[in-house]
Amino acid sequence: SQQGEEDPQALSIQEGENATMNCSYKTSINNLQWYRQNSGRGLVHLILIRSNEREKHSGRLRVTLDTSKKSSSLLITASRAADTASYFCATPSTGSARQLTFGSGTQLTVLP
Amino acid sequence: EAGVVQSPRYKIIEKKQPVAFWCNPISGHNTLYWYLQNLGQGPELLIRYENEEAVDDSQLPKDRFSAERLKGVDSTLKIQPAELGDSAVYLCASSLDARQETQYFGPGTRLLVL
Repeated sequence: SQQGEEDPQALSIQEGENATMNCSYKTSINNLQWYRQNSGRGLVHLILIRSNEREKHSGRLRVTLDTSKKSSSLLITASRAADTASYFCATPSTGSARQLTFGSGTQLTVLP
Repeated sequence: EAGVVQSPRYKIIEKKQPVAFWCNPISGHNTLYWYLQNLGQGPELLIRYENEEAVDDSQLPKDRFSAERLKGVDSTLKIQPAELGDSAVYLCASSLDARQETQYFGPGTRLLVL
């Protein structure tokens, strides 16, 4: 069963704007990851945040984690057309810490 | 460094026919995963290998799906016979070992069953 769920399902913004995607999960985790998938391609790892971290940055990406609310957000600043992709959060599966459970993703479209 | 390689990239078959997908993980990666991704959904794990051992295949429909990783490197996923509902993208991923949380994905094989 899916652990993480992204919100919104789809997001369309203008180039240069910021994009925020949210992920909610159900059970306690020790880390949460975000992946990007361009159309027709495989997933690419973006960032991992651990349960003892509240915020993490990587370039134009900012990820937050609120373990009390069981939620995470991914912020992409100064978006570019090349950021158009699906974004997935992934959490360790409840049955096995070595497996990842992915949400259904947020489809981001950045208009030039 | 070469990434995860998958072939074929696309496959169209008629229902009831067999089909096989091949994956070559990143060199040195002991853990290999096969995922199924339906349109508009996230990947769902089918099977995970640690070297040549399948350590989690609980989500693999064993009546028609099979997988192998004989020498602990390349892997093959087979469907026999294929059904219309098997149309999806089959993704392969690898990680250095079971302790590494980050997975590296191949481009996937897009299967269409007619």
